[in-house]
Parts: sequence; C-alpha cells; structure tokens
Amino acid sequence: DAGITQSPRHKVTETGTPVTLRCHQTENHRYMYWYRQDPGHGLRLIHYSYGVKDTDKGEVSDGYSVSRSKTEDFLLTLESATSSQTSVYFCAISALDWGSYEQYFGPGTRLTVT
Amino acid sequence: AQSVSQHNHHVILSEAASLELGCNYSYGGTVNLFWYVQYPGQHLQLLLKYFSGDPLVKGIKGFEAEFIKSKFSFNLRKPSVQWSDTAEYFCAVRGNQAGTALIFGKGTTLSVSS
Repeated sequence: DAGITQSPRHKVTETGTPVTLRCHQTENHRYMYWYRQDPGHGLRLIHYSYGVKDTDKGEVSDGYSVSRSKTEDFLLTLESATSSQTSVYFCAISALDWGSYEQYFGPGTRLTVT
Repeated sequence: AQSVSQHNHHVILSEAASLELGCNYSYGGTVNLFWYVQYPGQHLQLLLKYFSGDPLVKGIKGFEAEFIKSKFSFNLRKPSVQWSDTAEYFCAVRGNQAGTALIFGKGTTLSVSS
C-alpha cells in the first residue's frame, strides 16, 4: 500500500465549528486530492493540489478550503461545518511520472457533523 | 462534461457465478480508465487500469476488463466470484476538466453468498 495516512480517522463535530483534516504521504508524489464519498454519489472531487502552494477547486468545493505548505501534507478545512458535510473523506495521491495517472487512496476520515 | 455511468447499483451472486459489471463513459478523446474496489470498511484499491494497447486488461485477483471504444464501455469481468469479492466496485475515467483528477461512477455493490 502507498504510504498515505489520514488524521483523524473519525471525528464528530458540531454545526458551525471549523474542522481540519490532514493527509500525509511518504511517497513524495506531486499530486494530491481530496474526495468525499456519499452513498449514491460515488466519490466526488473537492480540491486537488499539483504542487506546494498550488491548488485548484474540484466539483464540490463550496464550504471547503485546502492548503499545501509541504509536499507531504495536504490539509482540508471545513470553515464552518454543516450537516451536509457529514461524509467519508478520502485523500489520494498520484505520481503522474511516465504518464501514470492512477491514484492511490488513504484510509479515509469519517466525519459526522451534528 | 465527462461522466461515468455504472448500470448496476447492487448485484447479488452465488459463489462460482460469473460476474460482469457495466461501465460507460462520455468522452470522445483518448481516455484512461480504471476499476477500483472498496472492501467493507477499507479504502479504495486499484483493480486494473487501461491506458493504451491491448483492450483486454487483466488485473489483480482474477479480474479483467475490456475496453470497447465504439461503445464507450469498460466492463469488469470475473469468471468465477468468491465470497471474498463482496465489495463495492467503482469505475473511473481520467477527466480533462479538473487537471489529473479522476471522475468516478456511483459504484456497484457486489454481494456474494457462499
């Protein structure tokens, strides 16, 4: 398995509070992604990063921000959590060297917003 | 916009039965296609991928998929399923709108009874 960890693995928080999820990789891959997984929706891209301090929005970016100050860390922040953000969040990485587009996923963070 | 359709939401099979999960995508250009599997409580793992060349792709655990360009399809097959194949299966295509991010189908849940 690729060296990807996510923290925390589980979190319960209250509506309106800020939440930060962390993704850490040991593979030195350039590309990192945040997805959310919801029943009936598959995985949807929130934000992605193509290098340190280089990020862009995905399909469902409203209410989320990201930061990447180091190659190995990609943070996802819910600025003011809402119940609609209850989900499982997966981080993924991709090397893109030699045209390799597959992504490798972390173990996920289950977030519940009450 | 690119999209991926998985025709079967939930498939129920007995052990030793053959499996075929449908996947269609919408994009007329060169595609990179993937199948991922998610075992209960685990993260997504890459089953197989197609980039170019032989349209019949073999992956791990006896799975294979056939890329049929004229039908925009990338169906997953396995001749004889096992109870341990019980999982959720996701088809994905590399999108050209969000950098290198993948666009996922909504997933197919496979339940195999022993």
